[in-house]
Amino acid sequence: GENVEQHPSTLSVQEGDSAVIKCTYSDSASNYFPWYKQELGKRPQLIIDIRSNVGEKKDQRIAVTLNKTAKHFSLHITETQPEDSAVYFCAASRGSGGGADGLTFGKGTHLIIQP
Amino acid sequence: GAVVSQHPSRVICKSGTSVKIECRSLDFQATTMFWYRQFPKKSLMLMATSNEGSKATYEQGVEKDKFLINHASLTLSTLTVTSAHPEDSSFYICSARGLGANVLTFGAGSRLTVL
Repeated sequence: GENVEQHPSTLSVQEGDSAVIKCTYSDSASNYFPWYKQELGKRPQLIIDIRSNVGEKKDQRIAVTLNKTAKHFSLHITETQPEDSAVYFCAASRGSGGGADGLTFGKGTHLIIQP
Repeated sequence: GAVVSQHPSRVICKSGTSVKIECRSLDFQATTMFWYRQFPKKSLMLMATSNEGSKATYEQGVEKDKFLINHASLTLSTLTVTSAHPEDSSFYICSARGLGANVLTFGAGSRLTVL
């Protein structure tokens, strides 16, 4: 089955700096890679996703890059703000017929934004 | 946007009793629902995938007789933890997606404490 590795487990950055979280996956058939943000005790919220036919996607301060050959994808957050503090999970799945099978999640990265 | 309601948010029960958790899609038909378990400061572990009208598919290591999943309608899936024990205490989260959709919507989670 799929195995997703996520690093680092904890990341502390100064407010205004950039943060990068990296994930690798094992199943070359995976074609959908979402990123979720989870605040303490709350539900995971999708913040950005990318499909295997795209190398990069950006949404304001958040961007995701995908290297299919190397089987890794990264989340980039620029100009970090205190409200960015949360746990971030990457995930991978192989979609079939337009739908996603159950996601395999990375172990999460606790992002801490220092004021 | 898509909304998933999960109930109850918190439940405390005695060892040996059964607990039912509901997951409802409020504004879309959820052809597939997923149940996850999350330990403190840990990732989401997929327990099972349920498709409306059919039996759930359980992940390896998850006891199907202990974690009963029913997905009887396109808007409701239930997880019943039978004969609960303290080691079943955890945060359980459901997610749902509609037909042809690759995006998951998560419920707010249910914190189960077994005394």
